[in-house]
Amino acid sequence: NAGVTQTPKFRVLKTGQSMTLLCAQDMNHEYMYWYRQDPGMGLRLIHYSVGEGTTAKGEVPDGYNVSRLKKQNFLLGLESAAPSQTSVYFCASSYGRENRDIQYFGAGTRLSVL
Amino acid sequence: AQSVTQLDSQVPVFEEAPVELRCNYSSSVSVYLFWYVQYPNQGLQLLLKYLSGSTLVKGINGFEAEFNKSQTSFHLRKPSVHISDTAEYFCAVRPNTGFQKLVFGTGTRLLVSP
Repeated sequence: NAGVTQTPKFRVLKTGQSMTLLCAQDMNHEYMYWYRQDPGMGLRLIHYSVGEGTTAKGEVPDGYNVSRLKKQNFLLGLESAAPSQTSVYFCASSYGRENRDIQYFGAGTRLSVL
Repeated sequence: AQSVTQLDSQVPVFEEAPVELRCNYSSSVSVYLFWYVQYPNQGLQLLLKYLSGSTLVKGINGFEAEFNKSQTSFHLRKPSVHISDTAEYFCAVRPNTGFQKLVFGTGTRLLVSP
């Protein structure tokens, strides 16, 4: 039972570099989310998706792009990384609309931008 | 808009002692309330939720929470904690109508010592 798997677990980038974070879920969930977690600020929603081929902006979308080409995968991209994007990133997924509050989280990706 | 306040960033407690983690929310509409727990180096997982009905909600691992509408609170309690309860606890809220997203508090770190 893999649940939600995030790749990579750790990454160090230089300012201006790009990277993609991969999230994969094997629970056939419709909804998927990307959050960032910063000290003293809790979790903030970056982008989310309510189904394959759809994405929407969350609370803090600037500097990030996402894609959901397959139902089980949700990719988060940083085109030009900035130090302000140093954070821990969590992916989550949930069943459809009626159960969207029961979110299943991955173990996180710790990203440092120098 | 909704907001969640967790005033205690850290709560130290001895093993087998009772604990209460405080959560207050602000909303102009009725809400659903949740507590999530994050164990070290893991993603968040749902502890309990309040949607409607009885204001006392029981969750996993012996935790319970009480919804108090007049005080706009949803405090989390456990009568006797274990070392394994050491984790970060997040309160979250969502309006009970429409498609709204979870809003998380900043978290409370529970430190249980022998």
